[in-house]
Amino acid sequence: QLQLQESGPGLVKPSETLSLTCSVSGVSVSSSTYLWGWIRQPPGKGLEWIGTIYYATTTYYSPSFKSRVTISLDTSKNQFSLKLNSVTAADTAVYYCATQIRNTVFGVLIGGWFDPWGQGTLVTVSS
Amino acid sequence: EIVMTQSPATLSVSPGERATLSCRASQSISNNLAWYQQKPGQAPRLLMYGASTRATGFPARFSGSRSGTEFTLTISSLQSEDFAVYYCQQYNNWPTFGGGTKVEIK
Repeated sequence: QLQLQESGPGLVKPSETLSLTCSVSGVSVSSSTYLWGWIRQPPGKGLEWIGTIYYATTTYYSPSFKSRVTISLDTSKNQFSLKLNSVTAADTAVYYCATQIRNTVFGVLIGGWFDPWGQGTLVTVSS
Repeated sequence: EIVMTQSPATLSVSPGERATLSCRASQSISNNLAWYQQKPGQAPRLLMYGASTRATGFPARFSGSRSGTEFTLTISSLQSEDFAVYYCQQYNNWPTFGGGTKVEIK
């Protein structure tokens, strides 16, 4: 059974880097069937896709985060990670990792829906 | 970026009644739409994909449809466990989510 679990600091200071890890069980992160994504949800608000990684090094980032985000894969630990630089209070949110189904549109690989999700971890940006 | 607009923001429905939720895409996305259900304190859970295919574990009272760029999620007879927030997400391009519809008890 595919399961994901986020981990990382719950408190980050403004201007610093938010770092989270998602541990995957039940399937190898090297699998070509799946993509691996990060989504966040500010308190009381909706869902925002941050970015996705697949094939170990290929990444796609939301334009909203592209200048300050890095997603990477660690196949030896069966994990993938999120780093978000120069955080502000607006980055306070529950951060979810999720499996994204492989999907192609007109022959171009585009991530599909997200299933399953990790339970989420709250990250607060405050001094 | 494809913008997804959900309406209404809040829907007040009595148990046993029908609920109809809408999601509109800013451009054509074919049937590349998913719905999620989120209960308080929980992660979103995939409810539907391909606009009308139910995910594992969801009963037949949940149905999805499409008309052009307008998508509808219908819950035919609301049960207590269905009161939640519902999000749509397009995957015709890199993903974007709608703002959500909260289905609350009337």
